[in-house]
Amino acid sequence: DAGVIQSPRHEVTEMGQEVTLRCKPISGHNSLFWYRQTMMRGLELLIYFNNNVPIDDSGMPEDRFSAKMPNASFSTLKIQPSEPRDSAVYFCASSLNRWNEQFFGPGTRLTVL
Amino acid sequence: GIQVEQSPPDLILQEGANSTLRCNFSDSVNNLQWFHQNPWGQLINLFYIPSGTKQNGRLSATTVATERYSLLYISSSQTTDSGVYFCAVRYNQGGKLIFGQGTELSVKP
Repeated sequence: DAGVIQSPRHEVTEMGQEVTLRCKPISGHNSLFWYRQTMMRGLELLIYFNNNVPIDDSGMPEDRFSAKMPNASFSTLKIQPSEPRDSAVYFCASSLNRWNEQFFGPGTRLTVL
Repeated sequence: GIQVEQSPPDLILQEGANSTLRCNFSDSVNNLQWFHQNPWGQLINLFYIPSGTKQNGRLSATTVATERYSLLYISSSQTTDSGVYFCAVRYNQGGKLIFGQGTELSVKP
């Protein structure tokens, strides 16, 4: 079975550019989570969806960040405009529902110059 | 919010040694997961263990929910066990996991 799929795996961009990260959850999973990992703050939740509906976006740092889940098999996390402090590894995770075990994708390493 | 503390922060072992990693949490939880982040950055699920004891090969975990801690045991460690071990908890009806800061394990040949 395919796990959580993320693309791209690495992204290098310049400050001010728009960045779009993509995620395909495990088939049949109804909850999708976006996490960010930095040296300073560790792993923290940005936003999560249940049945394609955003439930908790309290971790989204500011208006430059937005996330969508147009259908059960696809989600995007967009940063516009990007800043150097957005450099981090962004993980997508999914679970059967919000209370079950979460499974993580390989992550996208973002570098903003 | 809930606090998740892991100890020790760093651990160096000789191959073949055993170790115990600890995760303390400050409030009642209804989900606890242990992950291994390998040197390539992948987060690998080890255990989903809100309570009780589970074993998987050389690894086992115990969560004592009433006392608010969980332990991860690694026996006969191998160099491939190196990496960072994270404990993460979910503590209310929401879905998000709160991660500890991790224990960085290095197993020397």
